[in-house]
Amino acid sequence: EIVLTQSPGTLSLSPGERATLSCRASQSVTSSYLAWYQQKPGQAPRLLISGASTRATGIPDRFSGSGSGTDFTLTISRLEPEDFAVYYCQQYGYSHQYTFGQGTKLEIK
Amino acid sequence: EVQLVESGGGLVQPGGSLRLSCAASGFTFSSYSMNWVRQAPGKGLEWVSYISSSGGTTYHADSVEGRFTISRDNAKNSLYLHMSSLRAEDTAIYYCARAFGNFDYWGQGTLVTVSS
Repeated sequence: EIVLTQSPGTLSLSPGERATLSCRASQSVTSSYLAWYQQKPGQAPRLLISGASTRATGIPDRFSGSGSGTDFTLTISRLEPEDFAVYYCQQYGYSHQYTFGQGTKLEIK
Repeated sequence: EVQLVESGGGLVQPGGSLRLSCAASGFTFSSYSMNWVRQAPGKGLEWVSYISSSGGTTYHADSVEGRFTISRDNAKNSLYLHMSSLRAEDTAIYYCARAFGNFDYWGQGTLVTVSS
């Protein structure tokens, strides 16, 4: 089973700053099957990025994804107040076994 | 507009059973595979089960294998999760999610609490 480790656990930044979130896999992940989700308190997760770098419908272009192999990154270029939330990476593997990272909480500094 | 609405959650005793439902609308349900994902209180996301668009292929996480069964009724645009031998650690919000590669639409979830 592929384990995804996200860092940092908590990231404290101010609106307008740049956020860089990391997702590291225990073994190589097919980029096509790496996604990022945003979850706000009391809400369901929302797909942000699929295929490691493709923004989902309606996602602002300040969100970008990159990476390959075992190292993936979600970047938010300029933080807006509504971006403070928890972010999860996810991969899809053999036999439709999906795994999520433990999450990064992005909080207002 | 794509909508997924879960129901069927509630309080159940350890060892008990429950069936969750997910009503889908706004898309051709029979064309998409579907999943259940859960989130224990204050914790992260855990994939639970997958079912193909026809219902012919299913997979479950090791943590629920042999206790949970995913199914669907394409005529009713509905997804189900049959849960048995429930344990305290199954307490969570259960989300249904449409699979298009990854999970592009999610319901709002239904809370299952396993406690005596």
